[in-house]
Amino acid sequence: DVKVTQSSRYLVKRTGEKVFLECVQDMDHENMFWYRQDPGLGLRLIYFSYDVKMKEKGDIPEGYSVSREKKERFSLILESASTNQTSMYLCASSLAGQGDEKLFFGSGTQLSVL
Amino acid sequence: DAKTTQPPSMDCAEGRAANLPCNHSTISGNEYVYWYRQIHSQGPQYIIHGLKNNETNEMASLIITEDRKSSTLILPHATLRDTAVYYCIVKETSGSRLTFGEGTQLTVNP
Repeated sequence: DVKVTQSSRYLVKRTGEKVFLECVQDMDHENMFWYRQDPGLGLRLIYFSYDVKMKEKGDIPEGYSVSREKKERFSLILESASTNQTSMYLCASSLAGQGDEKLFFGSGTQLSVL
Repeated sequence: DAKTTQPPSMDCAEGRAANLPCNHSTISGNEYVYWYRQIHSQGPQYIIHGLKNNETNEMASLIITEDRKSSTLILPHATLRDTAVYYCIVKETSGSRLTFGEGTQLTVNP
């Protein structure tokens, strides 16, 4: 089975800190994604990547950046964490295909910014 | 990508079939219909997807109407562990972006 592993299940940070959320997948998938999930707003796409060193903005990229130096790892960076970035962060990966590829998600990181 | 409409919540008795509807009246010819579910405190899990024909796998069946403007996810014998939020999503063949709406909260009752 595909495994998508997020480095932390729960994380507490202070306002202004630089925060790294790490995601690793073990199935050689080309595509990787970062979503955040908030009550009443559903899942929203932050950034995604189709290949190493490539990145694309999603629907809500402001305040975030990403890094994909290796195929299996996709990092989400909060340059200066703010309280409105308190959320559940979900990483996902998929195999590149003809459009019918399916996403595999990690278990999520619940980030609290105080 | 086309937008979908799902009821916010549904109930189902354990052991009975759960039929979850989804409207996607603006779907275009090259868009797939996907279903995912999210059990509380976990990441979403892929269930099934289809383009035109009905599909079945070990988890569920997907029935797509002939005009493709709506679909139904069927869990043939719902269990308590099927309690989750179910998301219906349509996506173009090109590009890998999935846009999740609010989904349907399915509660399976004993």
